Amino acid sequence: GENVEQHPSTLSVQEGDSAVIKCTYSDSASNYFPWYKQELGKRPQLIIDIRSNVGEKKDQRIAVTLNKTAKHFSLHITETQPEDSAVYFCAASLKRSSNTGKLIFGQGTTLQVKP
Amino acid sequence: DAGVTQSPTHLIKTRGQQVTLRCSPKSGHDTVSWYQQALGQGPQFIFQYYEEEERQRGNFPDRFSGHQFPNYSSELNVNALLLGDSALYLCASSPLSHGSEQYFGPGTRLTVT
Repeated sequence: GENVEQHPSTLSVQEGDSAVIKCTYSDSASNYFPWYKQELGKRPQLIIDIRSNVGEKKDQRIAVTLNKTAKHFSLHITETQPEDSAVYFCAASLKRSSNTGKLIFGQGTTLQVKP
Repeated sequence: DAGVTQSPTHLIKTRGQQVTLRCSPKSGHDTVSWYQQALGQGPQFIFQYYEEEERQRGNFPDRFSGHQFPNYSSELNVNALLLGDSALYLCASSPLSHGSEQYFGPGTRLTVT
């Protein structure tokens, strides 16, 4: 069935360093890949997304890359700040013109940025 | 412009009882999806509503049912509650005409005792 594997489960970096979180998806038909940030006790917040016709997307300090052949996609955060500390979830979805695809989530990565 | 809202915030129920959770989508959104998030895990898709019909369903038993109203708001009903139903229930809405993006509400924390 559909599955998304996310690694690592925890990640600790020093403030200013970069952080990379990787995901692998099983359904080769997936075409939409969002990333969510969830702070403790709060809702998942969409921070960036990428569609299958694009290999890379950047938004200030965050970027996402997609390798469709390998079915891998990654989140890159540069110049990390303490406020980046949260749980990050990747997701994959098959978006058709007739519906909004269901999101299949990874298990999450707890990122800790040490001041 | 209000984002996605959910009610109630917290709920405590006893095994065997029934519960109804409510969601109002973001303005300009017409599709509502429901997810269950167990502690320490990623959200799991329950079902999705569009034009007042269930369009997609995840691997959840028939005890989980829903409804969408003409104003796009939605309800999630769970019958015969089990201890394992304790979780954060998240509602997500998507823009008109099957937009890709899904924006989440704050969730309802359900505890079954």
